[in-house]
Amino acid sequence: ELKVEQNPLFLSMQEGKNYTIYCNYSTTSDRLYWYRQDPGKSLESLFVLLSNGAVKQEGRLMASLDTKARLSTLHITAAVHDLSATYFCAVDIPPPTFGSGTQLTVLP
Amino acid sequence: NAGVTQTPKFQVLKTGQSMTLQCAQDMNHEYMSWYRQDPGMGLRLIHYSVGAGITDQGEVPNGYNVSRSTTEDFPLRLLSAAPSQTSVYFCASSYGTGFPYNSPLHFGNGTRLTVT
Repeated sequence: ELKVEQNPLFLSMQEGKNYTIYCNYSTTSDRLYWYRQDPGKSLESLFVLLSNGAVKQEGRLMASLDTKARLSTLHITAAVHDLSATYFCAVDIPPPTFGSGTQLTVLP
Repeated sequence: NAGVTQTPKFQVLKTGQSMTLQCAQDMNHEYMSWYRQDPGMGLRLIHYSVGAGITDQGEVPNGYNVSRSTTEDFPLRLLSAAPSQTSVYFCASSYGTGFPYNSPLHFGNGTRLTVT
């Protein structure tokens, strides 16, 4: 059974700081997705990572995938309040299996 | 483009009642799925479909039925509602999953269901 573990589950950080969210999974896969969910809203796609060593960046967010370590990271650079949301990774075996999510709060 | 449309947005049921959550997409996606979201548990897959006439069970299928008679629609039926089915339900679709697809899921706006 595939397990997808995210940590931390909750993250409070100051504006301007850097931090990394980790997504570990238990079965071989070369397809991993990151999603963002604002409170009370639906999920929207952030990144599609398709192979070992894949790196994608958008604004202050950068995602990477290490398929050998079964690990993906979502790095936040110089956080701003607008990044406050819950972030999910999903491993596509298929079908996609989601982690528990990381609730990020960026404090002024 | 409407994307993925879910109805209703909110629903309150009594234990034992049945109902159908509707999901429709206009993106010609072959893959459609239903997830439930509960606090601290992420999204858990209920049922999914890789095309019209094909459905399969996910992680938490008990108490739910699905069918896929058309590419566009993928309704989720609760047979006899229980308080444990109180949750937020999301329908999601994509062109496909696994190799060779690189298509993320497109989500509907969700249905908040309360069973009393």
